[in-house]
Amino acid sequence: EIVLTQSPGTLSLSPGERATLSCRASQSVSSTYLAWYQQKPGQAPRLLIYGASGRATGIPDRFSGSGSGADFTLTISTLEPEDFAVYYCQLFDSSVSFGGGTKVEMK
Amino acid sequence: EEQLVQSGAEVKEPGESLQISCKTSGYTFTDYWIAWVRQMPGRGLEWMGIIYPGDSDTRYSPSFQGQVTISVDKSITTAYLQWSSLESSDTAIYYCARHRGSVIITGSTRYFDLWGRGTLVTVSS
Repeated sequence: EIVLTQSPGTLSLSPGERATLSCRASQSVSSTYLAWYQQKPGQAPRLLIYGASGRATGIPDRFSGSGSGADFTLTISTLEPEDFAVYYCQLFDSSVSFGGGTKVEMK
Repeated sequence: EEQLVQSGAEVKEPGESLQISCKTSGYTFTDYWIAWVRQMPGRGLEWMGIIYPGDSDTRYSPSFQGQVTISVDKSITTAYLQWSSLESSDTAIYYCARHRGSVIITGSTRYFDLWGRGTLVTVSS
């Protein structure tokens, strides 16, 4: 099973700042199988990015995904107050894996 | 509107059985895989398994194989997650999620695009 490691565990930033979240796989994977989700307290996860860089329907363009091989990044170009949440990367190769999550908190 | 509506919160004692449900609507039930995901209190997301309603092809995470049963009822477009004997460690929120993309054919994108709101299961004596 491929392990996804997200870093940092917590990111303390202010509104207006740029957030860069990392997701590293334990081996090289197909970028088509990599997705990112946002989860706010008391809510279900919400799809942000699929295929490593495709934005899901309704997702603002301040969210972008990139990467290939074993290293992937979610970037929030300018943090809005509603973006403070936990973010998960996810892979579906032979099995499904989730990263441990990165909490983006307000500084 | 495409929706996954999950059954309500449950409080059970250890050793009891339980089945929770995920009622789908607004799309063709048999065209998309449905997964179950666990979230223990204050923890991250864990994939439990996935089922294709068209033929009930089911895949389990090794961590959950033999611990739960995933099934569907096509007549009412509903997926289920079942335990035969609950443990306190099963206390968690359980989400169902629709999968987009082929699980079998390589090369297509794969992701969960539609999620239920979750079912809180509390197991306590």
